[in-house]
Amino acid sequence: QSALTQPPSASGAPGQRVTISCSGSNSNIGTNSVNWYHQLPKTAPKLLISRNNQRPSGVPNRFSGSKSGTSASLAISGLQSEDEADYYCSAWDDSLNAVVFGGGTKLTVL
Amino acid sequence: QALMVQSGAEVKNPGASVKVSCKASGYTFTGHYIHWVRQAPGQGLEWMGWMNPTNGGTITAQKLQGRFTLTRDTSTNTAYMELSRLRSDDTAVYYCAREVADSTGTSGLFLDPWGQGTLVTVSS
Repeated sequence: QSALTQPPSASGAPGQRVTISCSGSNSNIGTNSVNWYHQLPKTAPKLLISRNNQRPSGVPNRFSGSKSGTSASLAISGLQSEDEADYYCSAWDDSLNAVVFGGGTKLTVL
Repeated sequence: QALMVQSGAEVKNPGASVKVSCKASGYTFTGHYIHWVRQAPGQGLEWMGWMNPTNGGTITAQKLQGRFTLTRDTSTNTAYMELSRLRSDDTAVYYCAREVADSTGTSGLFLDPWGQGTLVTVSS
């Protein structure tokens, strides 16, 4: 049981916009910033969004993050086939004294 | 730029121990904590713990306490994780990752970059 809750799957057609949600609690998302990682098949996770909405250099502006209260979301616009991957949200949890992850969302580009 | 390179795959018997290395380059080794995360086959990411390379201080996930040890060698910029009394459910890909934090401490930390992963298979 993950501390952060994500939908197991999401999908969209090329060019469309999809949103992936991440729900937590006061001890994690409610207090600390949210990061998003994506993982292509058979590869290591890679940072996609840091500190709620910051894009590392090299990440296209099609990817955006937001946070409100104890929830966060990742939006991907102009969906492309190469966006097919698993997406994980993450935050520090003050009660668990640990980094917590969502269970991951598998994005399928139709 | 920063790079984390891990040791190769391991196959271990139940009850044995495994030690995985993570060699850091491209940044000041003692300037960033190193985290370990594992991923069982077909499953999500599970945080295991972190180490402060400056003084060797560690924090480990509660479920792993007693079996999980983090060490480092500052002369070679290498971090190590050792897991003992291996069970079949320890079969996973193990990742190291560099922590990036700001003045807020844990509130704003994120992990970047990650190592390529080390598959540890526990099987008799």
